[in-house]
Amino acid sequence: DTGVSQDPRHKITKRGQNVTFRCDPISEHNRLYWYRQTLGQGPEFLTYFQNEAQLEKSRLLSDRFSAERPKGSFSTLEIQRTEQGDSAMYLCASSAGQLNTEAFFGQGTRLTVV
Amino acid sequence: AQKITQTQPGMFVQEKEAVTLDCTYDTSDPSYGLFWYKQPSSGEMIFLIYQGSYDQQNATEGRYSLNFQKARKSANLVISASQLGDSAMYFCAMREPRSNFGNEKLTFGTGTRLTIIP
Repeated sequence: DTGVSQDPRHKITKRGQNVTFRCDPISEHNRLYWYRQTLGQGPEFLTYFQNEAQLEKSRLLSDRFSAERPKGSFSTLEIQRTEQGDSAMYLCASSAGQLNTEAFFGQGTRLTVV
Repeated sequence: AQKITQTQPGMFVQEKEAVTLDCTYDTSDPSYGLFWYKQPSSGEMIFLIYQGSYDQQNATEGRYSLNFQKARKSANLVISASQLGDSAMYFCAMREPRSNFGNEKLTFGTGTRLTIIP
């Protein structure tokens, strides 16, 4: 399978714990995006990488969130000291970066904070 | 102001009928791209169709077509001959060129839940 893959698919954690999600984009895509989707809403942009450089972060991304993309390949999204409001689907997408090319999404990681 | 507006939270359609899902958008940039994605209950966002702002023809992909009315800033998705497997959430999204960092992120609407009735 050469699509975008995310791991884990589901994560249940206690409030206050740290969690880390992984995204493996399509190999030739240099652009990688993280989105968050809450119930009944469309995905909202969190952060963007071009190769290994994190070039933009949404104001939705509080200082408890950090993302990395070492070597411009896979990416990780870490949430520290999780809160119940962090419960959401976290989607990763990659693209070739042109205006007319679609972004390919992974199946997402559904986070539940209890 | 909302960048992407989808006014139909839910729709029920009889199998084999055509369905139109509405989408309006707001941008001041002359160059932009419009996308429709399908999200089944499994969660994955599946790309359906793309329309560029300079495209003269409406986009078509199999049973999907995009009714692009630039002056009205609308980009409605038309699904012909609906099937049970079309039941899902449908999202309209826009990509605008960014001068800063080349971040051509997608901005999504709130979606329409389509249910096909046998």
